[in-house]
Amino acid sequence: DAGVTQSPTHLIKTRGQQVTLRCSPKSGHDTVSWYQQALGQGPQFIFQYYEEEERQRGNFPDRFSGHQFPNYSSELNVNALLLGDSALYLCASSLSSNQPQHFGDGTRLSIL
Amino acid sequence: GENVEQHPSTLSVQEGDSAVIKCTYSDSASNYFPWYKQELGKGPQLIIDIRSNVGEKKDQRIAVTLNKTAKHFSLHITETQPEDSAVYFCAASYGNQFYFGTGTSLTVIP
Repeated sequence: DAGVTQSPTHLIKTRGQQVTLRCSPKSGHDTVSWYQQALGQGPQFIFQYYEEEERQRGNFPDRFSGHQFPNYSSELNVNALLLGDSALYLCASSLSSNQPQHFGDGTRLSIL
Repeated sequence: GENVEQHPSTLSVQEGDSAVIKCTYSDSASNYFPWYKQELGKGPQLIIDIRSNVGEKKDQRIAVTLNKTAKHFSLHITETQPEDSAVYFCAASYGNQFYFGTGTSLTVIP
């Protein structure tokens, strides 16, 4: 039974570019949440998707957007990249809300 | 919104000793409290969780306690082993959003 898978594992971009990160949830899970984890910090909630809709959003600008597909997989898009966007981006899946969230190993995004 | 504080930031123990990590939260509406272990280069792994209608939960060498009145919860690891060395995060949730602490780097010295 595959857990949460994320791609790519590493990515290098320059300021002003756009990036798309991908996530496949754990089998049987229908809810996907995205987090940003800066070095030495805990994960910060970006948003959550359920039934292909953004259900809740954290304190992140509109440059961060997402999508959920009918098979429950999800994408995180970040436009106009800033140096401060360098971080580990984590995807977590769960069965509905306020249920245990299971994380992937993340995408390490570096902005030059 | 919710604010979760975690202490200590670093913790070193001798193999076989116990380790305790403490967290406090601010929003009394929070009702779900998971703990995660994160190893280098990996995503957080759920190790134990507790809901607000329970005061204590144990799973082998790991236990979590919750004091709703004081708004704090703790992770207890007994008989620590070198493979317990990692960063541990607490979190609090009352709906769709999880709020994480800043992490505790645990080192178990053989």
